Amino acid sequence: EIVMTQSPATLSVFPGERATLSCRASQSVSRKLAWYQQKHGQAPRLLIFDASTRATGIPARFSGSGSGTEFTLTISSLQSEDLAVYYCQQYKEWPPMYTFGQGTKLEIK
Amino acid sequence: QVQLVQSGAEMKKPGSSVRVSCKASGGTFSTYGISWMRQAPGQGLEWMGGIIPIFGTANYAQKFQGRVTIIADKSTTTAYMELSGLISEDTAVYYCAREGLGGGVPHPSYLHYWGQGTLVTVSS
Repeated sequence: EIVMTQSPATLSVFPGERATLSCRASQSVSRKLAWYQQKHGQAPRLLIFDASTRATGIPARFSGSGSGTEFTLTISSLQSEDLAVYYCQQYKEWPPMYTFGQGTKLEIK
Repeated sequence: QVQLVQSGAEMKKPGSSVRVSCKASGGTFSTYGISWMRQAPGQGLEWMGGIIPIFGTANYAQKFQGRVTIIADKSTTTAYMELSGLISEDTAVYYCAREGLGGGVPHPSYLHYWGQGTLVTVSS
């Protein structure tokens, strides 16, 4: 099983500042990496797929980068509505054995 | 616009089974995989298994092998997840999600559209 590790567990950022979230895979997943945003009491929402492609309707302040085992989600200018938990997910293998990171909770200072 | 609507909250006794449905509308149903995840209170997301309706064969996470069954009914564009042998640790919100890559070719994919979630509570 590919283990996904996210850091930090909690990140506190001022509005307008940059937030950088990390995700590491225990083995290479190439660029088969997605990021999801989950606001309190809601279902997750797809932000980024294939490591760096924004999903439809996702604001340009969200960007993804990385390949292999190291990935980053960057929010360039934090807005109050970005308060959420962010998860990474790998989808490298077939038959599927999808795994998620444990999440990064993003707080607004 | 693709929408996934899940069945309502369930309260179950230990040892029983639960079946959660996921009705899809908009887009093509048969050629896109449907995955099931769960999220225990205050915890992260856990993939349980998935199915591509046109093929009909499900794949399951090892942790749930033998306890979970996922099926898809093409005629009603509805997927189902049944979990048996319930214990208190199965208390969670269960989500279905449609994969982003379709075309009827078996390949791994990100999860594009999500259902609203179904709370399953297991308690005596």
